[in-house]
Amino acid sequence: GAGVSQSPSNKVTEKGKDVELRCDPISGHTALYWYRQSLGQGLEFLIYFQGNSAPDKSGLPSDRFSAERTGGSVSTLTIQRTQQEDSAVYLCASSPYRGQNEKLFFGSGTQLSVL
Amino acid sequence: QKEVEQNSGPLSVPEGAIASLNCTYSDRGSQSFFWYRQYSGKSPELIMFIYSNGDKEDGRFTAQLNKASQYVSLLIRDSQPSDSATYLCAHSGTYKYIFGTGTRLKVLA
Repeated sequence: GAGVSQSPSNKVTEKGKDVELRCDPISGHTALYWYRQSLGQGLEFLIYFQGNSAPDKSGLPSDRFSAERTGGSVSTLTIQRTQQEDSAVYLCASSPYRGQNEKLFFGSGTQLSVL
Repeated sequence: QKEVEQNSGPLSVPEGAIASLNCTYSDRGSQSFFWYRQYSGKSPELIMFIYSNGDKEDGRFTAQLNKASQYVSLLIRDSQPSDSATYLCAHSGTYKYIFGTGTRLKVLA
């Protein structure tokens, strides 16, 4: 596709269950970001992938959160033992990483609701 | 101290007026600064970026950067109701994009 694709668009889960969120970046984009946006709040940085380098995981809020990026393309964000405070929109963004003035291309997000 | 600080608003301006949105940042190593617009329920979209001190104009939008004061602003001239959205300031140092919490702008018809 032409843009960043995220799935599912909506996810409702029960507290304590694990969830997986998927991001398919724009082809050729080497940089990939995950952000979390709670209702009425800004974008909270979670994790950053750049090519084959070790990811920057400094934004992950707890060890229940993990992410991987396979083959430098698709990324999966996994939340284990979900809690109600995990409810938010999870946004993925990618960029071609050609210079310092990189524009981020965002997906439509996954709305996660933990009951 | 947050890396990027913005007044959450809402900032209300009448149609046709100039809207002024402000942002301060703490990392002196930041090189590039960005303004994204986010409509309710939508993803952010880039409006402007700036990396040199001074002003940068693009249509009705002007970004201003003052690295000595660690301050970046966005001016929207001739504000329209369609400009009503949340405006997110962001910076990138070596690579990581950090966003502020955003300022909600309301343009009153």
